[in-house]
Amino acid sequence: QVQLKQSGPGLVQPSQSLSITCTVSGFSLTNYGVHWVRQSPGKGLEWLGVIWSGGSSDYNAAFISRLSISKDNSKSQVFFKMNSLQADDTAIYFCARSLYYGYFDYWGRGTILTVSS
Amino acid sequence: DVVMTQIPLSLPVSLGDQVSISCRSSQSLVHSNGNTYLHWYLQKPGQSPKLLIYKLSNRFSGVPDRFSGSGSGTDFTLEISRVETEDLGVYFCSQSAHVPPTFGGGTKLEIK
Repeated sequence: QVQLKQSGPGLVQPSQSLSITCTVSGFSLTNYGVHWVRQSPGKGLEWLGVIWSGGSSDYNAAFISRLSISKDNSKSQVFFKMNSLQADDTAIYFCARSLYYGYFDYWGRGTILTVSS
Repeated sequence: DVVMTQIPLSLPVSLGDQVSISCRSSQSLVHSNGNTYLHWYLQKPGQSPKLLIYKLSNRFSGVPDRFSGSGSGTDFTLEISRVETEDLGVYFCSQSAHVPPTFGGGTKLEIK
């Protein structure tokens, strides 16, 4: 069955970076895009970016300067990296699957991130 | 960015009730291909959002037929015909007709 499993740290200091790996199973990254969405009490659900099946990426303009998404098809892994973290980046970060800019039909369980010194 | 506005923020219900959740977008969600890219998700505490309805009115695999989606242009509705305990949680509408995809603030369905 389709699964997206996330791994990454729960606590990061201000100005440092966040790296999360989303390992997928039950489908191929060559057929689907993987998006990143975060959720915080203050801002709700925010779309951050996507890596498409062909390998190109699109980013939310608000995060483009400090966000990078890449993947390794052979390992079924998607890599998310966000730099220069501040306290308001504290949120739950999700990876999710979709075709094109469609609906997100399967989601990872989320990575709870706290940015604090 | 397209702003998605949900009404109400909280919806107290009794089991067996029929309920409606509204969602309004700041721009039309009708794509040039004729599809309406409005989707509904349910998030339960401690879980990730789960897809319920995609492209306005299509139930995702395994979603009971007591859930239905409707609307047009900028005004949309999710209806639950007979609320069950497993339906409790926060409902989000979302659009993907415009980039970036955006989400409503959520409607919390809870027991009265």
